[in-house]
Amino acid sequence: GAVVSQHPSWVICKSGTSVKIECRSLDFQATTMFWYRQFPKQSLMLMATSNEGSKATYEQGVEKDKFLINHASLTLSTLTVTSAHPEDSSFYICSARPGQVQSSYNSPLHFGNGTRLTVT
Amino acid sequence: DAKTTQPTSMDCAEGRAANLPCNHSTISGNEYVYWYRQIHSQGPQYIIHGLKNNETNEMASLIITEDRKSSTLILPHATLRDTAVYYCIVRSRNTGGFKTIFGAGTRLFVKA
Repeated sequence: GAVVSQHPSWVICKSGTSVKIECRSLDFQATTMFWYRQFPKQSLMLMATSNEGSKATYEQGVEKDKFLINHASLTLSTLTVTSAHPEDSSFYICSARPGQVQSSYNSPLHFGNGTRLTVT
Repeated sequence: DAKTTQPTSMDCAEGRAANLPCNHSTISGNEYVYWYRQIHSQGPQYIIHGLKNNETNEMASLIITEDRKSSTLILPHATLRDTAVYYCIVRSRNTGGFKTIFGAGTRLFVKA
């Protein structure tokens, strides 16, 4: 159980275009999902917290207008990289925790398999 | 959230136990210790978590010291497929809402 599906697994786009990445919780509902970015040989960096039905919360230094997050349902969050540039090339990973906020306090995160974005 | 300190890398012989240490000397009473691992080019995988008692599941055992300032993840019989980066994370609720922050982790190499 607790499967998180991410799509696409990889994408190549041209500079200046936008790319949408989907994150779905397949067998549980998630009021909160998290988006991470990982550069080669580095750890995961938290970008933002996606909240169902409300605005996402972005970490310091992450441009909210460039990385648009939409959490329209309890099982789907999307990350759109707008006007992508080569420096946005990275491994993007989403995660989610089963249950409502209070009851899922100690539940572990479950991660998607990531999306490798290459901007040419 | 309390910060953690882990060795940068470790080696382990296949079939032997892999013991991965983690220091979290500033942990507070309501903070849990979580372990995840990331195999190359995949998303992280949850392994185990605990508060103060030792925990065991089908993947690993977690030993937490009595003062809770450090813990050890034990993979009882390491295989080549256990080669990965292992992350020790201490987490509590914060104003941002249950954020999980990753440190650098330990790169475990399991050798034949």
